[in-house]
Amino acid sequence: GQNIDQPTEMTATEGAIVQINCTYQTSGFNGLFWYQQHAGEAPTFLSYNVLDGLEEKGRFSSFLSRSKGYSYLLLKELQMKDSASYLCAVRDRGTALIFGKGTTLSVSS
Amino acid sequence: SAVISQKPSRDICQRGTSLTIQCQVDSQVTMMFWYRQQPGQSLTLIATANQGSEATYESGFVIDKFPISRPNLTFSTLTVSNMSPEDSSIYLCSVEEQQETQYFGPGTRLLVL
Repeated sequence: GQNIDQPTEMTATEGAIVQINCTYQTSGFNGLFWYQQHAGEAPTFLSYNVLDGLEEKGRFSSFLSRSKGYSYLLLKELQMKDSASYLCAVRDRGTALIFGKGTTLSVSS
Repeated sequence: SAVISQKPSRDICQRGTSLTIQCQVDSQVTMMFWYRQQPGQSLTLIATANQGSEATYESGFVIDKFPISRPNLTFSTLTVSNMSPEDSSIYLCSVEEQQETQYFGPGTRLLVL
């Protein structure tokens, strides 16, 4: 079956670094996506990995290991506005995205 | 990325009625999708809206309950039929652009009483 796991909640303080893990078991693999979703808003695209390794984009980086079915999103220099849900999504064989349940990150001062 | 709008942004409906949600994109896109996000949950794909042909539905979703139209490459509608309180949810359309990345519209917040 299709399964995407990520922690339900995480907390961190301003200025810190946090790593949100995602493991997946899908029938196929054609890319992994991270989205940020603030409460009451639509998800916004953060990153895309299709090959193994690290993709860096400003304060956010995403890593993928296809052999391990594993990804993480790394957030550096945390800010209060980073408090949100972070959704890991995998594209299996087709065009559909399979989403994990999301990780709610709370950043405190 | 494309600018995506949805109408209505929110609605409160009575049990047994139907609501049609519109999704408009400011550029032509090949792939459009409809998702549901129930309270406190993540996103679940309802269907892929295919231009010029019937939508492709995911397991657990049927055309009679969620009829979809895609008359052209910039517009799609999703109807939630014969609503019940269990249909209370956020309904989001998304489009696929470069690097096969999906971008989401602002969502329609539906409450069924």
